[in-house]
Amino acid sequence: AQTVTQSQPEMSVQEAETVTLSCTYDTSESDYYLFWYKQPPSRQMILVIRQEAYKQQNATENRFSVNFQKAAKSFSLKISDSQLGDAAMYFCAYRRTFGNEKLTFGTGTRLTIIP
Amino acid sequence: DVKVTQSSRYLVKRTGEKVFLECVQDMDHENMFWYRQDPGLGLRLIYFSYDVKMKEKGDIPEGYSVSREKKERFSLILESASTNQTSMYLCASTPPPGGLNYGYTFGSGTRLTVV
Repeated sequence: AQTVTQSQPEMSVQEAETVTLSCTYDTSESDYYLFWYKQPPSRQMILVIRQEAYKQQNATENRFSVNFQKAAKSFSLKISDSQLGDAAMYFCAYRRTFGNEKLTFGTGTRLTIIP
Repeated sequence: DVKVTQSSRYLVKRTGEKVFLECVQDMDHENMFWYRQDPGLGLRLIYFSYDVKMKEKGDIPEGYSVSREKKERFSLILESASTNQTSMYLCASTPPPGGLNYGYTFGSGTRLTVV
């Protein structure tokens, strides 16, 4: 069974600085998707970034980028120029490309932005 | 803008009551999901559906059932609510994978308290 591990329950960063959130996963599949979701206090889960395992290039969305290490089964999220609005729970998630579309989530990292 | 709507944001029910949580999506998505979110445990899949009248058990289906009579609506049913079902419930939907904007769209959650 696939598992997703986020080993940092809480992190904090100074506004305008850079922070990296860690995620590792375990799977025997070769084709899959990885996601980072953000959940602010409003509770709405928002897709931050998506990576397809067959793509070697790391995904980037504005200030958000990932470091995808397929052999190491690692998928970290880097947030550059942190802003107050980045404060939220961040969840790493996995789903295999073929078969049922179940998303497997990590336990989340709560990110605090220090003004 | 695509939407997943959950009928209640907060709900308080008594032990033993039958509880219905409703979810509606306006994106014509085939796949719909019910997750439960608890602190320190992340999101765990209860049930999912990949077509009308089709359903599959997730990781924690005990004490729950689902109904999908129409493509846009996916209901979660607690047959006899218990205090250990006090939690945040999140509904999500997704199209088949492969599109440019592939990802899950979540509702804003229902916080259920069973007393």
